[in-house]
Amino acid sequence: NFILTQPHSVSESPGKTVIISCTRSSGSIASNYVQWYQQRPGSSPTTVIFETNQRPSGVPDRFSGSIASSSNSASLTISGLKPEDEADYYCQSSDSRTQVFGGGTKLTVL
Amino acid sequence: QITLVESGPTLVKPTQTLTLTCSFSGFSLRARGVAVGWIRQPPGKALEWLALLSWNGDKRYSPSLKDRLVVSHDTFKNQVVLSLTNVDAVDTGTYFCAHRPPAWLEGFGFWGQGTLVTVSS
Repeated sequence: NFILTQPHSVSESPGKTVIISCTRSSGSIASNYVQWYQQRPGSSPTTVIFETNQRPSGVPDRFSGSIASSSNSASLTISGLKPEDEADYYCQSSDSRTQVFGGGTKLTVL
Repeated sequence: QITLVESGPTLVKPTQTLTLTCSFSGFSLRARGVAVGWIRQPPGKALEWLALLSWNGDKRYSPSLKDRLVVSHDTFKNQVVLSLTNVDAVDTGTYFCAHRPPAWLEGFGFWGQGTLVTVSS
């Protein structure tokens, strides 16, 4: 099994860009898709990125996903930060038989 | 419109079996590519993937819980049922079911509102 490691928290000012990383402990990050979920307090998660870099309809293009094989990690980039982006963000990926969530990153928009 | 609603007991005693139901509408679990997953979240903690039931009957379970988990599909009622045996306090949390759209290879496009389960004597 593998682990997905995220920073516990990040913070940035409105209008700025933030990048949240998700590092895979074993197996190639490029071998399986990565999803990103946003969870506001008291709410169910919603998908902001699926299949590594795809946005569901309704998700603004301020949200983008990518991977970096050199660091075996995936990244969620949020540009033009807005106060409503403040939430917990979780990455998720899989291997042949299971799926794994990262530990989550709390984004604070200062 | 796709909806998923989780239901089940709010309080379960240690060693008992927890049975949760995900009642869904707006899609068929027999449609090619569709899947329903179960995810849980202990209070104040991260999401944890539990199980996935696919349109073709394929079932996948968390390796750490696979000996205690069973997921099944009630076709006539449009429900997916999750059973977790021999529960303990660490199984306390909010349990979500979620839908994977047929056009997606991975990920969950729609989530239920979750149901909070407490394990306590």
